[in-house]
Amino acid sequence: DIQMTQSPSSLSASVGDRVTITCRASQSISSHLNWYQQIPGKAPKLLIYAASSLQSGVPSRFSGSGSGTDFTLTISSLQPEDFATYYCQQSYSTPITFGQGTRLEIK
Amino acid sequence: QVQLVQSGAEVKKPGASVHVSCKASGYNFTGYYMHWVRQAPGQGLEWMGWINPNSGGTNYAQKFQGRVTMTRDTSISTAYMELSSLRSDDTAVYYCARVVYSNYGENLDYWGQGTLVTVSS
Repeated sequence: DIQMTQSPSSLSASVGDRVTITCRASQSISSHLNWYQQIPGKAPKLLIYAASSLQSGVPSRFSGSGSGTDFTLTISSLQPEDFATYYCQQSYSTPITFGQGTRLEIK
Repeated sequence: QVQLVQSGAEVKKPGASVHVSCKASGYNFTGYYMHWVRQAPGQGLEWMGWINPNSGGTNYAQKFQGRVTMTRDTSISTAYMELSSLRSDDTAVYYCARVVYSNYGENLDYWGQGTLVTVSS
């Protein structure tokens, strides 16, 4: 199975900050990488697919980059509604696997 | 609009089975695979498997082989996930999620609201 490792596990930031979350795969997954946002008590929401494509309806302050084994999710200017947990997920091979999550908290 | 509506919370005893439903609306049910993902309390996301609603074909994560069964009823656009021989560590929120495919694999674009399954004696 492909292991996905996110860093940091948690992060404190302020409204307006630029934030970057990283995700590393245990082997090359090309661009088969998706990012999700999960607000407590809610289902995950797709933000970015194929490493850098913005899902319809997602604000442009979210962006993704990377290929191979190293990927990043960037939020250019944090808004109050962005404080949540973020997960990466590889779709290169079965079983689909997720990172352990990065919890983004208000400083 | 696309909606996935899941059945309500369940409390089960160890050794029992649970049956969770996921009713789809707003799109062609047989045109998209359905995945099941679970999340234990305070933990991350764990993929369980998928069903092809058109053919009924399935693919289960090895961890759940022999304990999970995914089915569908196309007449009512509903997918089902049954997990048997429940243990306390099966306590989790179970999600169904629709899959779409890009040039770089599948992503889960719509999710159900989740079904909490509590396993307790």
